[in-house]
Amino acid sequence: DADVTQTPRNRITKTGKRIMLECSQTKGHDRMYWYRQDPGLGLRLIYYSFDVKDINKGEISDGYSVSRQAQAKFSLSLESAIPNQTALYFCATSNNAGGAHTQYFGPGTRLTVL
Amino acid sequence: EDQVTQSPEALRLQEGESSSLNCSYTVSGLRGLFWYRQDPGKGPEFLFTLYSAGEEKEKERLKATLTKKESFLHITAPKPEDSATYLCAVQTYSGGSNYKLTFGKGTLLTVNP
Repeated sequence: DADVTQTPRNRITKTGKRIMLECSQTKGHDRMYWYRQDPGLGLRLIYYSFDVKDINKGEISDGYSVSRQAQAKFSLSLESAIPNQTALYFCATSNNAGGAHTQYFGPGTRLTVL
Repeated sequence: EDQVTQSPEALRLQEGESSSLNCSYTVSGLRGLFWYRQDPGKGPEFLFTLYSAGEEKEKERLKATLTKKESFLHITAPKPEDSATYLCAVQTYSGGSNYKLTFGKGTLLTVNP
């Protein structure tokens, strides 16, 4: 079984709809992240959480919100989806061991907003 | 502002033709440099972490090296299954729990049989 799972894997929705993307992990990591990936722009950080009570904005948080329901679960919501939120969304996890913190990515969710 | 630049943007090789991908960076407080492989429509797959200048790591046909300003991913005798986008990312630290990961835009490698 995959260590980091994301649901749904694909979603097509309409402008103005509320969307939730979910991420679960079995790696036992305490840190979780949400990224979006757009052609030509690379991976950009939306939100990150270092533990259940710690939520931080990334570089592109406008239009998004998150919820850390448990150590293993981190959800990303688009309150009112717009077409320029069409992208690949990735969840990642890392632990808080000393040194560099390697991030491990989920398989992604392809979101299309019409 | 932290910057990570990868070159070339795209590279096409014949099977067995060795080459290198470059990742140059300008950051403060480097904690580590990461290489990932990403196949189309999939999540980035971790390859290597390099911590300090002079460090090298190898995995099958891939070898990553690090200097104070750049990293190279050397691909020796590539095979078609090595075709993917290779992403470089640098992690910086600015105190407390403030670790930041900055990604380059990637190099799309195509290996023809």
